[in-house]
Amino acid sequence: DTGVSQDPRHKITKRGQNVTFRCDPISEHNRLYWYRQTLGQGPEFLTYFQNEAQLEKSRLLSDRFSAERPKGSFSTLEIQRTEQGDSAMYLCASSLNDREGEKLFFGSGTQLSVL
Amino acid sequence: AQSVTQLDSQVPVFEEAPVELRCNYSSSVSVYLFWYVQYPNQGLQLLLKYLSGSTLVKGINGFEAEFNKSQTSFHLRKPSVHISDTAEYFCAVRTTYTDKLIFGTGTRLQVFP
Repeated sequence: DTGVSQDPRHKITKRGQNVTFRCDPISEHNRLYWYRQTLGQGPEFLTYFQNEAQLEKSRLLSDRFSAERPKGSFSTLEIQRTEQGDSAMYLCASSLNDREGEKLFFGSGTQLSVL
Repeated sequence: AQSVTQLDSQVPVFEEAPVELRCNYSSSVSVYLFWYVQYPNQGLQLLLKYLSGSTLVKGINGFEAEFNKSQTSFHLRKPSVHISDTAEYFCAVRTTYTDKLIFGTGTRLQVFP
C-alpha cells in the first residue's frame, strides 16, 4: 500500500492557462474523489468516480473543470482558462466501496496558485 | 441538504489537558459521521466514524466521539492531549443516500508544552 499520490505537489500558472493534475489511487480502490480546499475552509466536494464512471459532479463546478478516469485507475483533473479564484489545494482521495464503512484515503494534494 | 458546523476555528490547550472539539450537523435524513485529522504537510486521515449502534465511538490515538441525535452533535474528545496531537481536525457528514462527504471548516488544535 503506497497510498494515494498526486502530481505535481505545487503548480504556479498564469491566469488563462490550462492546468492538469494527476492522481494515482491505492491500487485496489474502485472509488476516486476530487476535493478542493481553500485556506480556512474544509475540503469541498468536486466529483467522484466508481471505476471509470463519473457518478457525481458538484453543481458548483464550472464547466472549465473536467475530470477523467479512463481505465478506472489513475485520474486527471483539468482546469481550462484558469482564474485567480481557482487558487486552492486540490485533494484526491480513494476508497474501497464497502458502502457504510467507506473510509477515504487522501493524498497530500496539489497546491495551485494562479497569478 | 446536509451541512456541518465546527464552531471553534482554533482550540489552544496545554499538554496533558483534556480537549473537546465541537461539531454540529444538519440533515433531514439519517447520516454517517466522521472525524478526519490533517497533520502538517500530510493528507487527511480518518480518526473515527459513527455508522450506527453505540453512540460512543473510539478512534485512533486515544480520541473518542459521542453521537447525540437530539442535539445533532458529534463532539470529539480526548482526556489528555499530547504535543503530537497538534493538527487540523475536520468533522464530516454523509447521508445514507449519497456517497460524498460534506466537511466542516475545521478546528485547529494547538497543544502547548
